[in-house]
Formats: sequence, structure tokens, C-alpha cells
Amino acid sequence: DAGVTQSPTHLIKTRGQQVTLRCSPISGHKSVSWYQQVLGQGPQFIFQYYEKEERGRGNFPDRFSARQFPNYSSELNVNALLLGDSALYLCASSLRGQGNYGYTFGSGTRLTVV
Amino acid sequence: EDQVTQSPEALRLQEGESSSLNCSYTVSGLRGLFWYRQDPGKGPEFLFTLYSAGEEKEKERLKATLTKKESFLHITAPKPEDSATYLCAVQVRPRNRDDKIIFGKGTRLHILP
Repeated sequence: DAGVTQSPTHLIKTRGQQVTLRCSPISGHKSVSWYQQVLGQGPQFIFQYYEKEERGRGNFPDRFSARQFPNYSSELNVNALLLGDSALYLCASSLRGQGNYGYTFGSGTRLTVV
Repeated sequence: EDQVTQSPEALRLQEGESSSLNCSYTVSGLRGLFWYRQDPGKGPEFLFTLYSAGEEKEKERLKATLTKKESFLHITAPKPEDSATYLCAVQVRPRNRDDKIIFGKGTRLHILP
């Protein structure tokens, strides 16, 4: 069984550019959430989607947006990139919320903004 | 403001030396507390969910407990392969708002052979 897959694995962008990160959840999982993890810190919650609807949002500016598609895959978009957006972006999936089985995380997309 | 604090930030133990990691939280509308393990270059790996004070969960050398203000992750007779960063997270639902998940900064555990 494939786990949570994220693409690309690494990305280098210039300040001011826009980026789209992609996530495919485990088959059958309907909930997807996104996190930003800066080196040495815990993941910070960005968005949660369940059944294609936004169910939670963290304290991130409107430059961050996301969506979930009918096949439950998801995209995270970040506009007008800043140097401070450099981080590991993690996607996690679950059947519905965390529950007794928690989230299954992908290995992340390492974004570097120069 | 909702907060999750983990201590210590880093811990070095000899193989077989038992210890505990702490996760204290100040949140409203707690829906669950979760422990994850994260290895370098990888995403977090789910360990436990705890829902109510007094609850305990065990898995191999790990045991998680929960009180109204904090959770402990007890590691008994650790082995070098238990070296990792251990993350605590809480799921909250503030009044009239959607769920949000708050992670602590983690405890970096290093087990020396």
C-alpha cells in the first residue's frame, strides 16, 4: 500500500514567486491536512480538509491557500514567497480527523526561497 | 492563547536508562492529545492518541499517560533505535471555530549504546 505521497520532494524558488505543492493521501483517506515545519521546530498547522471542504485553518496569511479534489488529493499554494517561507511542508492524511490512528504523514516537500 | 510546551528540549540517555518526556498544554476545547516520533528527513510517525485524564497507552518500550494539564511519554530500557525527536500535539476546537492542531517543539532524544 502506498503511503502519503508528496511532490516535489525539493524545490527552490525566488522571492515573490508562487509555488504549488501536491499531496496524494492513502487510498480511502478522506481528510488531508498541511503543516509547515521550520528546522528545529514542531510542525505548524496550516489547513485541514475533509470531504473537499476546509475544516480548519491555522494562523497563516492569505498568501497561503489550499484545496482538495474529488479524488481527495490536495494542493497547497503559496503566493508572493518570502524568505521566511523556507521550510519543510508536510501533508498528512487520515480517514477522518486524527482519531485513534492519528495522521499518516508524507516525507514532505523541502522549499527553499532565495 | 493555546499553547503546547515540551520538555526537555533534548535528552541524552545511556542504553537501558529509563526516563520520561513531558508535554504540558494550556488549551480550550481539547479533543485529543497525540504523540508522534520523527526521524531526520522524514515526516512524523503516529504513536498514541489520548482522550481523557487518567488514560494510558503502551507500545513496546513506550507508555503515554495523560492528566488534565500534561502528558508524559515514559521510555523504559531504551535502545539506540529509539533515538528520534518525539512530538506532542493537541487537537482543539475553540468555541464556534473549526478544529486546529497544535504541535510542541519536540524533544530530541539520543540513546547512547
